[in-house]
Amino acid sequence: GAGVSQSPSNKVTEKGKDVELRCDPISGHTALYWYRQSLGQGLEFLIYFQGNSAPDKSGLPSDRFSAERTGGSVSTLTIQRTQQEDSAVYLCASSSPGRGVPYEQYFGPGTRLTVT
Amino acid sequence: QKEVEQDPGPLSVPEGAIVSLNCTYSNSAFQYFMWYRQYSRKGPELLMYTYSSGNKEDGRFTAQVDKSSKYISLFIRDSQPSDSATYLCAMSETTDSWGKLQFGAGTQVVVTP
Repeated sequence: GAGVSQSPSNKVTEKGKDVELRCDPISGHTALYWYRQSLGQGLEFLIYFQGNSAPDKSGLPSDRFSAERTGGSVSTLTIQRTQQEDSAVYLCASSSPGRGVPYEQYFGPGTRLTVT
Repeated sequence: QKEVEQDPGPLSVPEGAIVSLNCTYSNSAFQYFMWYRQYSRKGPELLMYTYSSGNKEDGRFTAQVDKSSKYISLFIRDSQPSDSATYLCAMSETTDSWGKLQFGAGTQVVVTP
């Protein structure tokens, strides 16, 4: 079946502009996660949604970052007033708690964001 | 100090050799330990997961956890060029199977024919 998809695959933006990154999780997956991957830094947790519960926003680095998940499916990560340090690959993952392999998160290919 | 430390490599080995990867961590609340594999320009995929201390084997892969030392390892036997990838350790405190994972920086492995 279809995996996690993300768009755009690449985004180049000027410093100070706002950007929106989209994630389409696997159908039926109730949990959705956003991570950021910078060179040599590994994956940095940003936010996760689980069903109708309040999202865990503990990883968002500043109030310029926000995310929403509409209808329990598609999610959008928004970065306002982008800075050069926001340049990274933004990865989205989804999972189906209680099914399959525990702790298995299915990742999309990522959006490579470059802020000039 | 990061909660999870992992040597970024690169680690270069000849085909057929044993690859040894490890992570250390500082948070004693971590209970579940995972290894993800990430090919270039792709998202990570789960390779193995273990709970608490002990060993787990799956084909050519063996994962070890030593909670007393806060140290986990992944061994790849009879390495193949197709094993060339970045390997990330990940950990979770939660007893349910969702929630955020804490990842290491990832170790780049290159297996040369």
